[in-house]
Amino acid sequence: DIQMTQSPSSLSASVGDRITITCRASQSIGTYLNWYQQKPGKAPWLLIYAASNLQSGVPSRFSGSGSGTDFTLTISSLQPEDFATYYCQQSYGPPPVTFGGGTKVEIK
Amino acid sequence: QITLKESGPTLVKPTQTLTLTCTFSGFSLSTSGVAVGWIRQPPGKALEWLASIYWTDDKRYNPSLNNRLTITKDTSKNQVILTMTNMDPVDTATYYCTHRLGIARLGWWFDPWGPGTLVTVSS
Repeated sequence: DIQMTQSPSSLSASVGDRITITCRASQSIGTYLNWYQQKPGKAPWLLIYAASNLQSGVPSRFSGSGSGTDFTLTISSLQPEDFATYYCQQSYGPPPVTFGGGTKVEIK
Repeated sequence: QITLKESGPTLVKPTQTLTLTCTFSGFSLSTSGVAVGWIRQPPGKALEWLASIYWTDDKRYNPSLNNRLTITKDTSKNQVILTMTNMDPVDTATYYCTHRLGIARLGWWFDPWGPGTLVTVSS
């Protein structure tokens, strides 16, 4: 199975800050990496697919990059509605599908 | 517009079998490339993929669930059904169904998701 490791597991930041979340795969997955946002009590919501493609309707302050084993999600200027938990997910090869452990972004 | 909604019991007893239904609209599971997945999330924990069913009726399961899962589809009713046997308190979680979308050379992803249903396992 491909293991996905996110770091940090949580971070505190202020509105307007630039933040970066990292996701590392246990083997190379090309760009088969997706990012989701989840707010408390809500279902996850697709932010970025194929490592760097912004889903329709997602603000341009979100961006994704990386390939192989190392990926990043960046929020260029954190907004109040961005405080949430973020998950990466690999879609490389056969099942099982695996997610990262999540990164909780909290208000400082 | 694609929508999905999960339904089923909110409380099951240990050793019982859980049956969850995902009712969807806005797509057909007989269309090439389409799939529906089930994912769960224990309270305060990360997401765990459980199973997926494809337009071909191909099925894939998370091997960590030790053959406890069965996924089926009823294309005429736009439903996907997940059964999980031998429920245990550690299976307490919110269970989501989700539409799987893929594009050649880009891979695939889960979008959108149903609102989820919380299932508690307790005697």
